[in-house]
Amino acid sequence: NAGVTQTPKFRVLKTGQSMTLLCAQDMNHEYMYWYRQDPGMGLRLIHYSVGEGTTAKGEVPDGYNVSRLKKQNFLLGLESAAPSQTSVYFCASSGGQNEQYFGPGTRLTVT
Amino acid sequence: GEDVEQSLFLSVREGDSSVINCTYTDSSSTYLYWYKQEPGAGLQLLTYIFSNMDMKQDQRLTVLLNKKDKHLSLRIADTQTGDSAIYFCAATGLSGSARQLTFGSGTQLTVLP
Repeated sequence: NAGVTQTPKFRVLKTGQSMTLLCAQDMNHEYMYWYRQDPGMGLRLIHYSVGEGTTAKGEVPDGYNVSRLKKQNFLLGLESAAPSQTSVYFCASSGGQNEQYFGPGTRLTVT
Repeated sequence: GEDVEQSLFLSVREGDSSVINCTYTDSSSTYLYWYKQEPGAGLQLLTYIFSNMDMKQDQRLTVLLNKKDKHLSLRIADTQTGDSAIYFCAATGLSGSARQLTFGSGTQLTVLP
């Protein structure tokens, strides 16, 4: 099993550009999450999903949208990127137990 | 909401024990976790403890939970250079079906030779 995978690994955007980050999991997990990690601030939850076709806002949802059209995929979109969205983005999934399994991260720089 | 706090840095000598501390605010937190993050990588689950336990041991790792003080610690025995990483404490409460985690800001552990 690959676990949780994320694409791309790195991306540089100009202010105002859009992009989509893809997260995929092969563990048949119901729950999926998107976090951002900034220095000294730990991980903050952006959006999450409790099952296929569902999404919900986390702690810092502004400027992001998500979709969960298939159980195994969770997409994070930035419609108009801003320098404040420069961060490392992590996807995670969770199944029958409460622990979350994380992907390797996407490093995004917005100039 | 839940707030989780950790000290930012810890340095130890190779072979010594490391103790990383964490405090949380939500007394209804049911699971408490320790994750490890190596440079350029995602978070790896190290261990977790259920709120009705006081201690959990797993090889070199010992987790202690003081529910009265809402204090969690992770002890790493015989610390090795490979243990150098950022360690995150996380807590989950009774947040319906969302199973959301609240993370601390992470403790950077440096193991000196």
